Amino acid sequence: NAGVTQTPKFRILKIGQSMTLQCTQDMNHNYMYWYRQDPGMGLKLIYYSVGAGITDKGEVPNGYNVSRSTTEDFPLRLELAAPSQTSVYFCASSRAQGAKEKLFFGSGTQLSVL
Amino acid sequence: GESVGLHLPTLSVQEGDNSIINCAYSNSASDYFIWYKQESGKGPQFIIDIRSNMDKRQGQRVTVLLNKTVKHLSLQIAATQPGDSAVYFCAENSGGSNYKLTFGKGTLLTVNP
Repeated sequence: NAGVTQTPKFRILKIGQSMTLQCTQDMNHNYMYWYRQDPGMGLKLIYYSVGAGITDKGEVPNGYNVSRSTTEDFPLRLELAAPSQTSVYFCASSRAQGAKEKLFFGSGTQLSVL
Repeated sequence: GESVGLHLPTLSVQEGDNSIINCAYSNSASDYFIWYKQESGKGPQFIIDIRSNMDKRQGQRVTVLLNKTVKHLSLQIAATQPGDSAVYFCAENSGGSNYKLTFGKGTLLTVNP
């Protein structure tokens, strides 16, 4: 199994540009999450989903959007990129009850907004 | 409010020694704690977890200790190896949400050969 796969690994955006970070998992997990990790900081939850068609905001949702049309895929959309969105983004999934189950993380997308 | 912090941002040990990484939390309602390891350029990887009804849990070469009296969590790594070099994060679930983990800032463990 590939686990959680994220693409791209690196991306540089100009201010105001848009992009979608892709995330897919092959473990048939219902729960999926997007985190951002700023240098020297812990992970902050952006959005999460408890199943196809259901999404909800995390701690830092402003400037982002998500969708969950299938169990496997959970893309993260940045509509108008800002320098404050420079970060490393991690997608994760879990089998059930996310915060009391171990999360499986992807390898991350390093995004720079210049 | 909720917070998870680490006493030591960096830790350097000799290969073969035991390592202890500490974590303090402030929310007495937290009922689940988890340790992740993050190697350079990779996503966090689950190490071990513990629920608040336990004081100690052991895995392969790792032990997590939970002291609810002083709100302290520690990760012990026995016979530390170069492959253990990474950033270690503790995280807690406060019980208020089933989907939110509060992560600490991490401790960088460096194992010297």
